[in-house]
Amino acid sequence: GAGVSQTPSNKVTEKGKYVELRCDPISGHTALYWYRQSLGQGPEFLIYFQGTGAADDSGLPNDRFFAVRPEGSVSTLKIQRTERGDSAVYLCASSLTGSTEAFFGQGTRLTVV
Amino acid sequence: GEDVEQSLFLSVREGDSSVINCTYTDSSSTYLYWYKQEPGAGLQLLTYIFSNMDMKQDQRLTVLLNKKDKHLSLRIADTQTGDSAIYFCAETPYGQNFVFGPGTRLSVLP
Repeated sequence: GAGVSQTPSNKVTEKGKYVELRCDPISGHTALYWYRQSLGQGPEFLIYFQGTGAADDSGLPNDRFFAVRPEGSVSTLKIQRTERGDSAVYLCASSLTGSTEAFFGQGTRLTVV
Repeated sequence: GEDVEQSLFLSVREGDSSVINCTYTDSSSTYLYWYKQEPGAGLQLLTYIFSNMDMKQDQRLTVLLNKKDKHLSLRIADTQTGDSAIYFCAETPYGQNFVFGPGTRLSVLP
């Protein structure tokens, strides 16, 4: 596609439920990043993929968060037993390896009620 | 650890210059970035500077880097109402992952 696509754009879920957030990167981009942006703050790094493997998952806050990228393109961020504190905008970005520029999607706004 | 700081708000009159400042902590960052975020939108890369440069100009944008003081600034000349947005400074201490500041909300007054 023309840009990074994230679905859904909005997700409301109940506390304790499981959610999946999807990211379609720009075709051919080998690097993929997930960030979380809470209200009034800058994006906070979660995880970085190089191809199919997670090159750095040090930003995942706890073991309720998990992300996959099985074929090296689409990625899914999975959150188990959601908590109200998980409410944020989840941003995905992709880039060519070694490129200085990462392209961001519009984000998924997750609200846990 | 790494930390990026920015002032949170800036107001300027249309046609004036805006200067947004940022301080960062990790001197190993190869590149330093400025991103723009408009309401309800994702992040848009505005410009970046290589760490061995001290200035970069790109149309109305001028980036100044003081590596000794770990200070980065973004100057927007002839600021327009369309420049109203949140501006994020970011460093790349690990080469790939971005560490963002809290963002500076720029308001352009007519």
